Amino acid sequence: DGGITQSPKYLFRKEGQNVTLSCEQNLNHDAMYWYRQDPGQGLRLIYYSQIVNDFQKGDIAEGYSVSREKKESFPLTVTSAQKNPTAFYLCASSEDRFDATMNTEAFFGQGTRLTVV
Amino acid sequence: AQSVTQLGSHVSVSEGALVLLRCNYSSSVPPYLFWYVQYPNQGLQLLLKYTSAATLVKGINGFEAEFKKSETSFHLTKPSAHMRDAAEYFCAVSRMNRDDKIIFGKGTRLHILP
Repeated sequence: DGGITQSPKYLFRKEGQNVTLSCEQNLNHDAMYWYRQDPGQGLRLIYYSQIVNDFQKGDIAEGYSVSREKKESFPLTVTSAQKNPTAFYLCASSEDRFDATMNTEAFFGQGTRLTVV
Repeated sequence: AQSVTQLGSHVSVSEGALVLLRCNYSSSVPPYLFWYVQYPNQGLQLLLKYTSAATLVKGINGFEAEFKKSETSFHLTKPSAHMRDAAEYFCAVSRMNRDDKIIFGKGTRLHILP
């Protein structure tokens, strides 16, 4: 079955540590996204990538880094520079929106809940 | 630039009553509009989408939404609420532009009263 997989589901990080969240999709989508979700704030875009080896900062990129070496993978690293990393992180993908007749919806993973201990 | 506003961070309705969740968008070109639902500790699931075909869009679980260009709105409705509809709902907008990204509203949590 095609889909988008995030791992792990729960992650605990000590102060000062970097951690990497995994996101893999087998939908052959060009675009991938990382969102952070906090209560009452909805979804905030961290980074997005429209094509392999290219990515752009979203609204809250500080303290995060990403890579897009393969079309199916878009890992997110939460660095020690991120002062308040405890949150629910969602990865999504969508087909390239260049063609208006193509499917433009975003498909989401099940999320990773990161907690700083 | 495009944006989306959801009116009401929390909405409560009685079981069997009409559900109405409001969404207004801003876009300088014709938009694509979406409603997603999120159950606790889950990812988002697409309910329905508008992509310039019919203005009344029917989705899963009995939900529908109507695109009103004059009001720049895309409100989500369901005639009769069920307990299982209790979740958070997100409106989203995008448009046909290679550099654009999908923008989400802040979400509306729907509570169903027995």
